[in-house]
Amino acid sequence: GESVGLHLPTLSVQEGDNSIINCAYSNSASDYFIWYKQESGKGPQFIIDIRSNMDKRQGQRVTVLLNKTVKHLSLQIAATQPGDSAVYFCAETPGGGYNKLIFGAGTRLAVHP
Amino acid sequence: DTEVTQTPKHLVMGMTNKKSLKCEQHMGHRAMYWYKQKAKKPPELMFVYSYEKLSINESVPSRFSPECPNSSLLNLHLHALQPEDSALYLCASSQDFSSAGELFFGEGSRLTVL
Repeated sequence: GESVGLHLPTLSVQEGDNSIINCAYSNSASDYFIWYKQESGKGPQFIIDIRSNMDKRQGQRVTVLLNKTVKHLSLQIAATQPGDSAVYFCAETPGGGYNKLIFGAGTRLAVHP
Repeated sequence: DTEVTQTPKHLVMGMTNKKSLKCEQHMGHRAMYWYKQKAKKPPELMFVYSYEKLSINESVPSRFSPECPNSSLLNLHLHALQPEDSALYLCASSQDFSSAGELFFGEGSRLTVL
């Protein structure tokens, strides 16, 4: 079946460094992608999204890159802070005109002082 | 108000109990969702309501019974659950179901089945 996956289950970075979290997807028809942050005991929190007609989108300290040729999505976090420590999920809407969001496996980001 | 509110935050129930999880949003969203999340796993879609009608049931066992009384409320009725149903149940809403867009999530109801 169609799936969204991640290359790295855990990412450890030093405070102040830049972080890159990667995600591979398999459905070439997917037209919307979104990154969520989930802290322990909380619900997923929106970070940034991107539609398939774009290849880059920037927010505050975050950038999402979409490479449709290799079906790859990445989240870049600049100047990573301890408060960025969480599990990060990529998710996709597999086209077809419905907002049916499918989540990838998740990456835990650990920020060390 | 950009919140999705879920109650209760924690629920412990026996396998013969009947309980309900509740979800509320006042953003005028017309799509509401239930997801199930096991520890260290991603959320998995269970149900989607669009304009108060059930649009998607991801082959969820009948011991889970969703209900959408109005456009702001979403319930999940639980009956005869199994210990493996213990999980975090997340409610979400979005503008509508017919176009891709952000889902707003609640903080979840953590369910333990004894």
